[in-house]
Amino acid sequence: AQKVTQAQTEISVVEKEDVTLDCVYETRDTTYYLFWYKQPPSGELVFLIRRNSFDEQNEISGRYSWNFQKSTSSFNFTITASQVVDSAVYFCALSEAPGANSKLTFGKGITLSVRP
Amino acid sequence: DGGITQSPKYLFRKEGQNVTLSCEQNLNHDAMYWYRQDPGQGLRLIYYSQIVNDFQKGDIAEGYSVSREKKESFPLTVTSAQKNPTAFYLCASKRRQGLDWGYNEQFFGPGTRLTVL
Repeated sequence: AQKVTQAQTEISVVEKEDVTLDCVYETRDTTYYLFWYKQPPSGELVFLIRRNSFDEQNEISGRYSWNFQKSTSSFNFTITASQVVDSAVYFCALSEAPGANSKLTFGKGITLSVRP
Repeated sequence: DGGITQSPKYLFRKEGQNVTLSCEQNLNHDAMYWYRQDPGQGLRLIYYSQIVNDFQKGDIAEGYSVSREKKESFPLTVTSAQKNPTAFYLCASKRRQGLDWGYNEQFFGPGTRLTVL
């Protein structure tokens, strides 16, 4: 069975600090997909990024960057120069693949608070 | 604009009553999902449907029922058999790309917060 662990439950930082959100996953599949979602106080989940198991290239999008390491089964998310608007709950998720039965397994989420 | 709508935003139910949560999408997505979110628990899958008139149980289906009579609609009924229904409910959908659904991201609605009085 697949599993996603987000060991950090709550993180509080001061604006402009860098922060890394950890994600560790377990799966028996050789092909799988990893996702990060952001849930602001409004409640709706917003897709941030996806990665397939064959692509270990790190990605940077503005202040956001992701580090995928198969050797440690981790897919960590770093926010550089955090801002108050980054305050939200962040979820890491894993999808079985391929096929029509693929489902997302979510971690329990990390609540990030960025103080001015 | 395309998206997912859920109604109502807040719902109050008396014990012993069935209630139905609405989920509608105009994204032309094949697959739809219902999740339950409890504080500190992440999202747990209740039911999902890959095609009209077909659906499968997720990890916590007991006490819930669904239907998928139209591609754009996937209502969730919380029955009186659900012992602890107070939670935040999220609906999601996903498109099919080729034969590999796993790579596509799920799009989420704004959620319905259900409270049992």
